[in-house]
Amino acid sequence: NAGVTQTPKFQVLKTGQSMTLQCAQDMNHEYMSWYRQDPGMGLRLIHYSVGAGITDQGEVPNGYNVSRSTTEDFPLRLLSAAPSQTSVYFCASSYWGHVSYNEQFFGPGTRLTVL
Amino acid sequence: KNQVEQSPQSLIILEGKNCTLQCNYTVSPFSNLRWYKQDTGRGPVSLTIMTFSENTKSNGRYTATLDADTKQSSLHITASQLSDSASYICVVSASGTASKLTFGTGTRLQVTL
Repeated sequence: NAGVTQTPKFQVLKTGQSMTLQCAQDMNHEYMSWYRQDPGMGLRLIHYSVGAGITDQGEVPNGYNVSRSTTEDFPLRLLSAAPSQTSVYFCASSYWGHVSYNEQFFGPGTRLTVL
Repeated sequence: KNQVEQSPQSLIILEGKNCTLQCNYTVSPFSNLRWYKQDTGRGPVSLTIMTFSENTKSNGRYTATLDADTKQSSLHITASQLSDSASYICVVSASGTASKLTFGTGTRLQVTL
């Protein structure tokens, strides 16, 4: 199994540009989520999904959109990039049932810089 | 507000030495506590998950303890190796909702020769 994969690994955007961060998992996990990691702060939840067709907002959802058309894929879209979105983004997945009991598997991350 | 605080912020030790990392939390209602290891440029990898009823849990040279009464946890690393150089993140889960994982800011450990 490849686990959780993310593309691209690095990305530089100009303010106002849009882009999609890709996330895929091959473990048949129902639960998938996106986090951002900033210096001096813990990981913060952006959006999450408990299954295909179901998404919900996390702690810091503004400026991001998600969709979940398949169990495997959970892309994160930046609508109009801002310098405040410069961060490292991690996708994670786990079995559902209740995420707080299930181990989360993280992808390798995407380092995004917005100029 | 749910919070997880870790100490120290960073730590340098010699290879072969032991060390202990601390985690204090104010998360309610408590479900479980996790320790993750994050290598530079990589995603976090789970080391242990401990529920309310577990006081100690080991994973090789890593031993986590949990005191749910004082809301404290520690991660003890025995006979450190250069490969232990990483950030160690404490994560506390609240029961009752899908999104309630509170992450600490991590302890950055450097193991040197």
